[in-house]
Amino acid sequence: DTGVSQDPRHKITKRGQNVTFRCDPISEHNRLYWYRQTLGQGPEFLTYFQNEAQLEKSRLLSDRFSAERPKGSFSTLEIQRTEQGDSAMYLCASSRAGERRDIQYFGAGTRLSVL
Amino acid sequence: QQQVKQSPQSLIVQKGGISIINCAYENTAFDYFPWYQQFPGKGPALLIAIRPDVSEKKEGRFTISFNKSAKQFSLHIMDSQPGDSATYFCAATLNSDKLIFGTGTRLQVFP
Repeated sequence: DTGVSQDPRHKITKRGQNVTFRCDPISEHNRLYWYRQTLGQGPEFLTYFQNEAQLEKSRLLSDRFSAERPKGSFSTLEIQRTEQGDSAMYLCASSRAGERRDIQYFGAGTRLSVL
Repeated sequence: QQQVKQSPQSLIVQKGGISIINCAYENTAFDYFPWYQQFPGKGPALLIAIRPDVSEKKEGRFTISFNKSAKQFSLHIMDSQPGDSATYFCAATLNSDKLIFGTGTRLQVFP
C-alpha cells in the first residue's frame, strides 16, 4: 500500500493550453474520485469512477474537462483550453467499496497555475 | 441541501488547551461524517469519523460530538499541541458517495 500518487505535483501553463494530470490509486481500490480545491476552501467534488465506469460528474465539470480511468486502474484528468479560473489544487482520492468503503485516501494533489 | 457549514474560519489556541470546531449540515439523508486534517502541501487525511446513530466518538485526544436533531456535529481536540496546527475540514457523505466538505478551519496552536 504505497498511497495515492499524483503527477505532476505542480503545473504552470499559459491560458488556452491543454493540461493532463494523472492519478494512481491505492492498489485494489475500485473507487477513484477527483476533487478541486481553491485557496481557503474545502475540496469540491468533480467526478468519480467505480472501476472503469464514470458514475457521476459534478456540474462544476464543464465540457472542457474530461476524465478517464481505462482498465479501472490509474485515471487521467484533462483540461482543454485552460482559463485562469482553472487555477487550483486538483486532488485525487481512492477507496475500496465494500470494505471500510467510507474511507477516501487522498493524494498530495496537483497544483495548477494558469498564467 | 448539499451544504456543510463550518466555523470558525480560524482558531488560535494555547498549547494544552481545547480546540473546538463546529459544523452544520442540511441534508438529513447524510449517513457518514468524517473529519479530515490537511497540512500545507499535502492532501487531506482522515482523522476521525462518525455515523448518525452515535452521539459521540473518541479516539485519543480527538472527539466528535454529534447532535442529530440539531443537524450539527463538532470536533474537540483535547490537550492541543503545536503539531496539531493544520487546516481541519468536516465533511458529509451519503452511501459512501462523494464527500461534501465544509470550508475549513485553520488551527494554530502556540506553545
